[in-house]
Amino acid sequence: AQSVAQPEDQVNVAEGNPLTVKCTYSVSGNPYLFWYVQYPNRGLQFLLKYITGDNLVKGSYGFEAEFNKSQTSFHLKKPSALVSDSALYFCAVRDPGGYQKVTFGTGTKLQVIP
Amino acid sequence: DGGITQSPKYLFRKEGQNVTLSCEQNLNHDAMYWYRQDPGQGLRLIYYSQIVNDFQKGDIAEGYSVSREKKESFPLTVTSAQKNPTAFYLCASRVLAASTDTQYFGPGTRLTVL
Repeated sequence: AQSVAQPEDQVNVAEGNPLTVKCTYSVSGNPYLFWYVQYPNRGLQFLLKYITGDNLVKGSYGFEAEFNKSQTSFHLKKPSALVSDSALYFCAVRDPGGYQKVTFGTGTKLQVIP
Repeated sequence: DGGITQSPKYLFRKEGQNVTLSCEQNLNHDAMYWYRQDPGQGLRLIYYSQIVNDFQKGDIAEGYSVSREKKESFPLTVTSAQKNPTAFYLCASRVLAASTDTQYFGPGTRLTVL
C-alpha cells in the first residue's frame, strides 16, 4: 500500500528566510509525487509535481521540490519565505502502476513570521 | 479553484437526515473524486469515478453514496448511516493521462450536523 508522511504538523519560519516542508513516501513502483497548498476554507491548489526526469522540480509561486529516490523524500523548498506563503501544505503520491488513487499526507501548516 | 464548483458552501443537517453535496466540473475531465478533510488527518478518499456510470469505493466509503450519470457531475450523498459526518468535503477531478496527472479541486463544502 502506498503512503505519505509529513512529519511536522507545523513549520515556523521568519520572512525572508529559506523554508523547507518535509515529505517522505512509500510506494511499490516509481512514484508520481505532488505538492498542494490550501488556504483557509478553500480547496487545494496545485503547486508542483514530479513524474520523471530532473530531480529538482520547480513550481508555482517560487516553490521547488527535490525528489530523492534513495531517501524516498520529496521535500518542498523556497529560498525566501513570504508572509503570504502561510498556509496548509499537502504532499501526495500515486503509484502509476496501480489504480487511480492518490494518497495525501496529513498536511503541514506553514507559518511565516513577519 | 478552476472549473469545479461545489454547492452549497456551508450545509447544516440534523441527525438522521440524508444530505446531498453537489460537484460539477466544466473541464471535460474523466475522473472525479470525493475527499473528506478533518483537522490533523489530511484528506481521505471517499469515492472516485473514472467514467460515467462507474465508481469505486475509497478508504472511507461507509455511510456515503455517489452517482455518475453525467461526465460533469458527481454528487455525494451523506446518509444517516455515517456516524460522524461533520467535516469539510472536497471534490476533485482530473484527466486520465500520465502527462497531466494533476487533480483540480473545488472550493469545498463544510457540513455540520446539529
